[in-house]
Amino acid sequence: AQRVTQPEKLLSVFKGAPVELKCNYSYSGSPELFWYVQYSRQRLQLLLRHISRESIKGFTADLNKGETSFHLKKPFAQEEDSAMYYCALSKNSGGSNYKLTFGKGTLLTVNP
Amino acid sequence: GAGVSQSPSNKVTEKGKDVELRCDPISGHTALYWYRQSLGQGLEFLIYFQGNSAPDKSGLPSDRFSAERTGGSVSTLTIQRTQQEDSAVYLCASSLELDWGRNSPLHFGNGTRLTVT
Repeated sequence: AQRVTQPEKLLSVFKGAPVELKCNYSYSGSPELFWYVQYSRQRLQLLLRHISRESIKGFTADLNKGETSFHLKKPFAQEEDSAMYYCALSKNSGGSNYKLTFGKGTLLTVNP
Repeated sequence: GAGVSQSPSNKVTEKGKDVELRCDPISGHTALYWYRQSLGQGLEFLIYFQGNSAPDKSGLPSDRFSAERTGGSVSTLTIQRTQQEDSAVYLCASSLELDWGRNSPLHFGNGTRLTVT
């Protein structure tokens, strides 16, 4: 079974400091990993996906298969980054069984 | 275009009553998910519909929970004999099936906040 673990429920940093939100996964096959974000009073939305290898709003995430991790990083946090962040995993084996499994989320607070 | 629409946005019900939550996915999206979001529990998977395949009901917490998706579009999540622990935000999401059975990223609705008194 696939599982996603976000060890930190809460993370607080100061503006301008680096931030890393941890995500570890458990899946025997080849996974596809995502980060979703929910800002205050907004819908949950996709932030980035590992296959795109892109930087969104200054955030990056690298899939480390050896450590089964997909940590989200930003070198200089901004106050507007304060939100709930969810790491998610899906199978990448084709077919119709494409179920997205989420971690429990990390609430990031960036203090001025 | 319109996003995923959920109704009602808020629902307060008495313990023991049945409730129905509705989700209108984005037109053309073949995959539809229901999740439950509560403090301390994060985003809990409930059920997943994909095209004409049998739904994945593995996340439903009890037999009081059921869901239907009619005509491959609108979905209804029903909770019978509601309990206080059912209080949460119920999120619906849809996505488009791409080639090789993979889906595009999920588009979420605003959710229904259910309060059982």
